[in-house]
Amino acid sequence: ETGVTQTPRHLVMGMTNKKSLKCEQHLGHNAMYWYKQSAKKPLELMFVYNFKEQTENNSVPSRFSPECPNSSHLFLHLHTLQPEDSALYLCASSQTGGWNTGELFFGEGSRLTVL
Amino acid sequence: KQEVTQIPAALSVPEGENLVLNCSFTDSAIYNLQWFRQDPGKGLTSLLLIQSSQREQTSGRLNASLDKSSGRSTLYIAASQPGDSATYLCAVNEGYGGSQGNLIFGKGTKLSVKP
Repeated sequence: ETGVTQTPRHLVMGMTNKKSLKCEQHLGHNAMYWYKQSAKKPLELMFVYNFKEQTENNSVPSRFSPECPNSSHLFLHLHTLQPEDSALYLCASSQTGGWNTGELFFGEGSRLTVL
Repeated sequence: KQEVTQIPAALSVPEGENLVLNCSFTDSAIYNLQWFRQDPGKGLTSLLLIQSSQREQTSGRLNASLDKSSGRSTLYIAASQPGDSATYLCAVNEGYGGSQGNLIFGKGTKLSVKP
């Protein structure tokens, strides 16, 4: 496996369900990110982890809970979501975190639909 | 607040044409600018990264330029092919005052290259 891998690729859940998105990077990078892409809106940063430590939470509602057990894995735990949370959730990684991250590499995304 | 604008929103050209995609940003205090390609329903593929100290970067038929002082970047695609059809996204890495590692994205230019 190479690059950034996200699972599942598609997820449909009810508003009361609990589910998780998984991201794994095989690039030896130290920083990982969650971005959200909604229809007709630019991509928005959600969370940043640098060496497993969360460095940014971009005012994301608590129904989204990230977890980064090591520099290669990143999870996004979902609970009590709203229909407007339906979007493409993209994971990315970069060699370094901090202010000047260099090039970001993205996964294929997880398409989430909340009913 | 940094804003990124991409013009045009959509572009249709015949195969073989050379074309230019435009990106503008409101705050010139950036670390770098990155161009991505996104195919329908897929993740982002990094095309070119230009550091703030650089003027341009080239990869194959792609050439990206950066004029930081005027807040502009262009992506030049030579001899376009149907396989170039995708949405092209421009993103700037915010400087101090923003979130660490936060890329601010434009809404993209949807390119269609007709055979």
